[in-house]
Amino acid sequence: EIVLTQSPGTLSLSPGERATLSCRASRSISNNYLAWYQQKPGQAPSLLVYSASNRATGIADRFSGSGSGTDFTLTISRLEPEDSAVYYCHHYGTSPETFGQGTKVEIK
Amino acid sequence: EVQLVESGGGLVQPGGSLRLSCAASGFTFTTYWMTWVRQAPGKGLEWVANINRDGSEKYYVDSVKGRFTISRDNAKNSLFLQMNSLRVEDTAVYYCARKGGGLRWGQGIPVTVSS
Repeated sequence: EIVLTQSPGTLSLSPGERATLSCRASRSISNNYLAWYQQKPGQAPSLLVYSASNRATGIADRFSGSGSGTDFTLTISRLEPEDSAVYYCHHYGTSPETFGQGTKVEIK
Repeated sequence: EVQLVESGGGLVQPGGSLRLSCAASGFTFTTYWMTWVRQAPGKGLEWVANINRDGSEKYYVDSVKGRFTISRDNAKNSLFLQMNSLRVEDTAVYYCARKGGGLRWGQGIPVTVSS
């Protein structure tokens, strides 16, 4: 099983600032099958990025994913109030699939 | 537009059974693997099970092996999760999701296991 460790646990930033979220895997993820999701309170998660760096349809270009192997990053270039949420990484290349524990982004 | 609508959740006693259903629309169901993911109250996401396009391959998280069964009916564009021998720790919101470049999610259905 691949363990995904996200950091930091909580990020508190002001609107317009840049957010950098990390996801580290316990071993290399094949084909960079790594996705990022946003979850707001009381809602289902929604897909932001897949295959480490491909933005999902309809996702604002301030969201970008990067990385390969064991180290992946989600960057939100200019935070907006509606970006307040929990963000999860997820590897989906092989079973068992796993999720990171989440990073909570708070907007000051 | 991808639409996934779960049903069949509710309150059940420990040791009981439930069958979750997921009605899919807006895409060609037979060309996608499907997934169940759950989220316990106040906790993170946990992958539960996958099924391939024709139902011949199934994979489960260790904690549900032997108790849960994932299945699909391609003629009815439907996904199922049969949950037996339910435990208190199975309490969660259960999400149906379409695999393929990440997951596209349903709205989720709560399952509560309690006496």
